Amino acid sequence: QEQLKQWGAGLLKPSETLSLTCGLFGGSISNYFWSWIRQPPGKGLEWIGDINEGGTTNYNPSLQSRVTITMDASKKQFFLNLRSVTAADAGVFYCARGSYCSNGVCYKGFGRNVWGNGTTVTVSS
Amino acid sequence: EIVLTQSPGTLSLSPGDRATLSCRASQGISGNHLAWYQQKPGQAPRLLIYDAFSRATGIPGRFGGSKSGTEFTLTISRLEPDDFAVYYCQQYGSSLITFGQGTRLEIK
Repeated sequence: QEQLKQWGAGLLKPSETLSLTCGLFGGSISNYFWSWIRQPPGKGLEWIGDINEGGTTNYNPSLQSRVTITMDASKKQFFLNLRSVTAADAGVFYCARGSYCSNGVCYKGFGRNVWGNGTTVTVSS
Repeated sequence: EIVLTQSPGTLSLSPGDRATLSCRASQGISGNHLAWYQQKPGQAPRLLIYDAFSRATGIPGRFGGSKSGTEFTLTISRLEPDDFAVYYCQQYGSSLITFGQGTRLEIK
């Protein structure tokens, strides 16, 4: 059964870069998009962006200027970099599985049942 | 951007009651690509329904999804104590994936 485990520095100073890693265990990284999603304290969920094995990325326009998502498929890991963080970027960051695409056909729904357990990020000087 | 508006903000019900949660989209969602998630404190969201109507693996039959126009509904037929949580809808039909603001289902 697939599991996502995530890790990275949880305490940052303003203007620093947030770097998180998400590793897939027990499944294949191929044919899926892999997402990052965040949740400010006490608030709702915000999609940050996603990536597939081919390196195709999609980003939320509200964060696109500060975000880079990359992947090392050989290690079954994908990464989030968020530059120039402020207190508004604090919260829990999740990695999650997204759409399944194969041979030009995408099944966007059923794969969204795999999530990491979240990393709490604090931004403080 | 497709804006999802969930209502009510909070729903107070008792175990055994029927819960009806609404998610209204600002425009049509391609392919009915809408999901429902359940989130409990300190946990990641759990996928309940995808593509508006399909139950995710392992989700009990008391959870059901429906649609009328641009309004999507999550129905929980008979509430169990474990069902009290926050519920989010998500659309993934457009290139910018968005979530609703959530409905808190609390014990009355």
